[in-house]
Amino acid sequence: GAGVSQSPRYKVAKRGQDVALRCDPISGHVSLFWYQQALGQGPEFLTYFQNEAQLDKSGLPSDRFFAERPEGSVSTLKIQRTQQEDSAVYLCASNLGPNQPQHFGDGTRLSIL
Amino acid sequence: DAKTTQPPSMDCAEGRAANLPCNHSTISGNEYVYWYRQIHSQGPQYIIHGLKNNETNEMASLIITEDRKSSTLILPHATLRDTAVYYCIVRVGVNTDKLIFGTGTRLQVFP
Repeated sequence: GAGVSQSPRYKVAKRGQDVALRCDPISGHVSLFWYQQALGQGPEFLTYFQNEAQLDKSGLPSDRFFAERPEGSVSTLKIQRTQQEDSAVYLCASNLGPNQPQHFGDGTRLSIL
Repeated sequence: DAKTTQPPSMDCAEGRAANLPCNHSTISGNEYVYWYRQIHSQGPQYIIHGLKNNETNEMASLIITEDRKSSTLILPHATLRDTAVYYCIVRVGVNTDKLIFGTGTRLQVFP
């Protein structure tokens, strides 16, 4: 069956531009997560949705980062006024609910020039 | 939140069993141990999880010590495709499902 789909796979932007990253979770999955992975590091939690409600955004590094999931399915992670330190792989994951394994997409590799 | 400790790297010969250890001495009674792996340029892949009993699935076995302070992931017959970074994670939080990844163990399977 279809897994978690992320687009674009690669994104290059100039410093100061806004970017939007998309995540299509597995159909029927209630929870959706965003993680950021710097080169050579493990993924770091950014934010979490249960249906359309954003229950935890404690990992968002600044107010330039904004995530939404308006209909409880597709989610968008937006980064405004990008900085070089935003360069990373952004991973999306979904699951059926608490204590269930998370299924990850292959990420969007963001490069800020 | 319970912290995990893993060796940074391990080697294993193809066809042999790979035994990846993890220490989680501060784990609490209701926290699960999860294992994920990440192959280069892919997202993390769920392998297995457990609470107190040993678990086995088509990918691996998970052995948890009786005091739950450590666990071992066993890949019974490692293949070259098992080369990856393996993360041992204790699920954190009551109202959130977020995973806290460490730096993991880089397993290299050689021919």
